[in-house]
Amino acid sequence: GAVVSQHPSRVICKSGTSVKIECRSLDFQATTMFWYRQFPKQSLMLMATSNEGSKATYEQGVEKDKFLINHASLTLSTLTVTSAHPEDSSFYICSARGTMGEKLFFGSGTQLSVL
Amino acid sequence: GQQVMQIPQYQHVQEGEDFTTYCNSSTTLSNIQWYKQRPGGHPVFLIQLVKSGEVKKQKRLTFQFGEAKKNSSLHITATQTTDVGTYFCAASISGNTGKLIFGQGTTLQVKP
Repeated sequence: GAVVSQHPSRVICKSGTSVKIECRSLDFQATTMFWYRQFPKQSLMLMATSNEGSKATYEQGVEKDKFLINHASLTLSTLTVTSAHPEDSSFYICSARGTMGEKLFFGSGTQLSVL
Repeated sequence: GQQVMQIPQYQHVQEGEDFTTYCNSSTTLSNIQWYKQRPGGHPVFLIQLVKSGEVKKQKRLTFQFGEAKKNSSLHITATQTTDVGTYFCAASISGNTGKLIFGQGTTLQVKP
């Protein structure tokens, strides 16, 4: 099946710094990528939808200047958490959709801890 | 906003017992997908239902889509310890292209 690679899997950073998370589709072209945030034992909260070559569409309540999303190619999307604060600590997970249908292929997630 | 309600939140069963999780929406759904997330892992696609009243089976798993396309269920017959994890439904709202709205998930624990 299709593979989505997400890096890093875990990152610890100081408050005020920025962190970049990469999401790559390894064997298919991802026309759309989604970024989610998941708190322990909770559901996935959609943060934004990104289409290659266009600006991301953010969900209500998600600050676009804080969570910068770039989808520069059909195989790569990045999420940058700018000026991270401890409340940004969470599990961030990406998913990708290709041309083969509507199902999503998920990355393995990134556990962000902001000290 | 649009929501997909999923119940129960948790379910503990004895190995061999059956398990069912339900998803409900007040809005007509274009399609519904089901995902499984093992502890410490990422969601993995199980199935997609598109047609009104559709029923699909995968071994011990039975997936149903309601006639009105507003609800869905996942039933596991004779659970095994390998069924442990959180099951999410994810709904595509009619007219809302691309975006999936996830239910809250049902976490299944199976006692051997």
